[in-house]
Amino acid sequence: QVQLVESGGGVVQPGRSLRLSCAASGFTFSSYSTFAMHWVRQAPGKGLEGVAVISYDGTSQYYADSVKGRFTISRDNSKNTLYLQMNSLRAEDTAVYYCARVALRLRFVDYFDYWGQGTLVTVSS
Amino acid sequence: DIQMTQSPSSLSASVGDRVTITCQASQDIYNYLNWYQQKPGEAPKLLIYDASNLESGVPSRFSGSGSGTDFTFTISSLQPEDVAAYYCQQYDNLPITFGQGTRLEIK
Repeated sequence: QVQLVESGGGVVQPGRSLRLSCAASGFTFSSYSTFAMHWVRQAPGKGLEGVAVISYDGTSQYYADSVKGRFTISRDNSKNTLYLQMNSLRAEDTAVYYCARVALRLRFVDYFDYWGQGTLVTVSS
Repeated sequence: DIQMTQSPSSLSASVGDRVTITCQASQDIYNYLNWYQQKPGEAPKLLIYDASNLESGVPSRFSGSGSGTDFTFTISSLQPEDVAAYYCQQYDNLPITFGQGTRLEIK
């Protein structure tokens, strides 16, 4: 059974950095490396926002304008792990951050068939 | 960015009612439209993909239709366990964008 488990959230001051991880299980290494992965966030009481996406092989990335230049998405397919490096954090970055798997192999975008449980990031002084 | 306008933002209905939620895209997205259910404290769950395809294991009372800019999500007979927020999501263009959500409660 595929599972995605996020970690790394917490309380951080504005301007500081945080790195989120998303560990995937239930995939073989060769299988994990054929699925693109996304980070999606949800501010408290608000809707869903796509933050960043990385291709199955890690060679292509895309960022929402709201995080471009501050966040970096990466993956280590040998560890079945996705990352989100968040720098220069702002209060408006406060949210639950979910990782999500694109359902169809090799596609950059499509529907999400698996989501993690989310990790809360709170940016506050 | 493609704007997704979802309505209503909240809805109260009785068990057994037929419930309809609409989602309008700011430009043609063909059928690149998905619907998710999110219960409090949980991650979103895929219900409908590519506008009208029911995800495996999802009850048949859920359905979707539409193409182009106008889409509809329907619950044919509302059940107590359907209390949740529902979101549409387009993937025709990056960034992926979601509707603002519909909060569904039982009357």
